[in-house]
Formats: sequence, C-alpha cells, structure tokens
Amino acid sequence: GENVGLHLPTLSVQEGDNSIINCAYSNSASDYFIWYKQESGKGPQFIIDIRSNMDKRQGQRVTVLLNKTVKHLSLQIAATQPGDSAVYFCAETGTNDYKLSFGAGTTVTVRA
Amino acid sequence: EPEVTQTPSHQVTQMGQEVILRCVPISNHLYFYWYRQILGQKVEFLVSFYNNEISEKSEIFDDQFSVERPDGSNFTLKIRSTKLEDSAMYFCASSREDYGYTFGSGTRLTVV
Repeated sequence: GENVGLHLPTLSVQEGDNSIINCAYSNSASDYFIWYKQESGKGPQFIIDIRSNMDKRQGQRVTVLLNKTVKHLSLQIAATQPGDSAVYFCAETGTNDYKLSFGAGTTVTVRA
Repeated sequence: EPEVTQTPSHQVTQMGQEVILRCVPISNHLYFYWYRQILGQKVEFLVSFYNNEISEKSEIFDDQFSVERPDGSNFTLKIRSTKLEDSAMYFCASSREDYGYTFGSGTRLTVV
C-alpha cells in the first residue's frame, strides 16, 4: 500500500450539509481500510473502517463506501457540524501487512 | 476507552543530541508502531514491532533510529543523533493484529 491518496486537498461545506471525502488507492492487495480524523496538534482519531469483503459500512453520521473495482474509497458525513472541521485521512493495509499507509489528507472546513 | 499515551508532548533538542520518545500502548495490544508526520504532510510509517522484535521498517528508519520495549508496558523510539529534518510529530500506535489501531496524541520534536 504505497500509493494511497485523496482526490481533493480541501473541502468547504455548509453546516448541515452532507460531506463526501474521496480516496483512491492503487494496491489491489489492500484489504482493510480506515478513515481517520485529525484535529490540529492531535493524533489521528479513528472514525470508521471497512474490510474488502464489504462495500458499505455505516456508523453514527458516517458512511464508508468501498469500490474495489476502481480502487476507490469514500467517507460520507451526514449533517456536517462545525466540530467536523479537521483533516481527514484514509489509510489502508494489506493481508499480513499490518502497517498503515496513509493518503495525503483532505482538509474539511465547515461554514456556519 | 483505552488510550495510547505518549510523553513528552513536546521535545526541543539540539542537533546531534539523542532523544528518546516514550509510549505506553494499549495493554492487550500485540503490535506497536511509530509513525512520523512532518508539518502539513501525511502520516508516514516508520517501524512496526511485534513479539519483541522489529517486524517491518521503512526507508526513513535508518541506523539513527531504534526501538525498544524495555518492560511490559513501555515502547520507546530513540533517535541517536538528531538532524534538523527529524523535526516532526511522532505518533505511537498499537493494534490487535490488523484491527483496533489506536494512535497516541503525539510528540512534537523540534530540532534546533
């Protein structure tokens, strides 16, 4: 998993709207994907994960979609709140490869 | 909720000096990691540690770096002779195999 990246470096969204953050990966052997949120000066905070045998997983206000055909991962945040402003990273790991490879990150700014 | 604890939160050191960054992983986790994040960039893998030995390391993790688990709870990263380019946030993480990854809040290392 050396090439895990995000399509857009920044996203500005109106409070209350839904956000969609995208990630592309190149390693077809990747089988576990995680979305992290990172606030300024803090460590990556787990949001949601998904394994390659699934194509969708939902959490509280968040949904992760995985399209293995085109090696694409997305994070949807429903009813975006000011507290959602942060940098979002996708990360992946492959079979028997426990290190995480991170994408470049998307900065989400929520407008009041 | 279990946490990964890192100390110190901020370390300033003179170029050429040795530094030791400390981490207490989650107690029932088996895999331990160090990652680095240069300001404004993505999180990069340094090293993974399992069963009291390094399981994988990146190109960044050269002879100046070493890791140790001196007792049953601590996990340390030593940089033998710091360089200016070692200035970054260093994150410790732990996991139960390929899931449950949890990151600490990081140590900001500033080399002057």
